[in-house]
Amino acid sequence: AQSVTQPDIHITVSEGASLELRCNYSYGATPYLFWYVQSPGQGLQLLLKYFSGDTLVQGIKGFEAEFKRSQSSFNLRKPSVHWSDAAEYFCAVGALNSGYSTLTFGKGTMLLVSP
Amino acid sequence: DTGVSQDPRHKITKRGQNVTFRCDPISEHNRLYWYRQTLGQGPEFLTYFQNEAQLEKSRLLSDRFSAERPKGSFSTLEIQRTEQGDSAMYLCASSLEWDVEQYFGPGTRLTVT
Repeated sequence: AQSVTQPDIHITVSEGASLELRCNYSYGATPYLFWYVQSPGQGLQLLLKYFSGDTLVQGIKGFEAEFKRSQSSFNLRKPSVHWSDAAEYFCAVGALNSGYSTLTFGKGTMLLVSP
Repeated sequence: DTGVSQDPRHKITKRGQNVTFRCDPISEHNRLYWYRQTLGQGPEFLTYFQNEAQLEKSRLLSDRFSAERPKGSFSTLEIQRTEQGDSAMYLCASSLEWDVEQYFGPGTRLTVT
């Protein structure tokens, strides 16, 4: 069974500073990896995804993530954080099991942006 | 079609009452998923439909929970005899067949008092 670890529960970043959110996964085969963002009281919005190919993937809102197989990691980055980026971020690993897809989520990292 | 929709967005109920939530997936998606998200946690899988068939249920889905997708379009999730521990955000997602990517709705926030 797959699992996802997001080691940071909260992160505070100054507006304009760079951001890196950590994600480690456990899965026996090549994983499908996702980052979602959730604003308070809202559903999940997909930021970016990795299925195969180039290990550096670009997403919406200026986010990018790098897949590192050797480290079982898929860290999310942004060069300059805006106040509107304050939200909760979830890393997820997807798998095709028995013909249907499953998504396993980490517990999330809450991003706080200070002025 | 603009995405997955869920109704209601918020529900407050008293312990012991029954509640029902509705999810309308993206129209061409034949797969539909329900998740539960409690405070401080990521979403956890509850159940999955392909068309009208419920093909997988998590152990989190107790006997008080029932889900249907009668015509392979919208789905309902009913919780009978609600308990305070049922308070959570209930998320619905849909996908195309053989597609790992799931598209999420805005969720229904349930509060059991």
